[in-house]
Amino acid sequence: DAGVTQSPTHLIKTRGQQVTLRCSPKSGHDTVSWYQQALGQGPQFIFQYYEEEERQRGNFPDRFSGHQFPNYSSELNVNALLLGDSALYLCASSPRQGSFGQGTRLTVV
Amino acid sequence: KNEVEQSPQNLTAQEGEFITINCSYSVGISALHWLQQHPGGGIVSLFMLSSGKKKHGRLIATINIQEKHSSLHITASHPRDSAVYICAVGPGNTPLVFGKGTRLSVIA
Repeated sequence: DAGVTQSPTHLIKTRGQQVTLRCSPKSGHDTVSWYQQALGQGPQFIFQYYEEEERQRGNFPDRFSGHQFPNYSSELNVNALLLGDSALYLCASSPRQGSFGQGTRLTVV
Repeated sequence: KNEVEQSPQNLTAQEGEFITINCSYSVGISALHWLQQHPGGGIVSLFMLSSGKKKHGRLIATINIQEKHSSLHITASHPRDSAVYICAVGPGNTPLVFGKGTRLSVIA
């Protein structure tokens, strides 16, 4: 039984570009939460998806958007990338967000 | 005051030592997580606790709900245990609140 899987594992983008990150939750989990972890910082909540809808959102600009598909997998999209968006992006699936993916390390140059 | 406080922030131990990392929280929770992160790596979930004690190999996690406190213990520490250990709490499916982490270095 696969845990939470994220793709890609690493990504380099240029300022102004757009990026899509993907997360497949653990089997049987229907809720996906996304977090951003900047270097040396703790993870910060971006948003959570349940039943294909954004249920909660943290303090992130509208450049950050997401989607959840009927199979519960989720995407995180970031538009107009800034250097400050460079971070590790983590996905956690519920119940109680007990399962984490390994993350996608995004570098914006 | 942060909602989740971890201590110590940094810890250096000799191989074989018994290690304790503490976490205190001020919010109501349904579960507390202990997470491990190696340098440059993703987060690995070690334990999810709502009461009592859990053990996995050399790792033991305890939680006292009344005192809003949890501890992570590592017995017979090894250099491969060197990592950042993070405590996170959450009242169900609402966003987890993370501690700032404890950076552990185990020296051979």
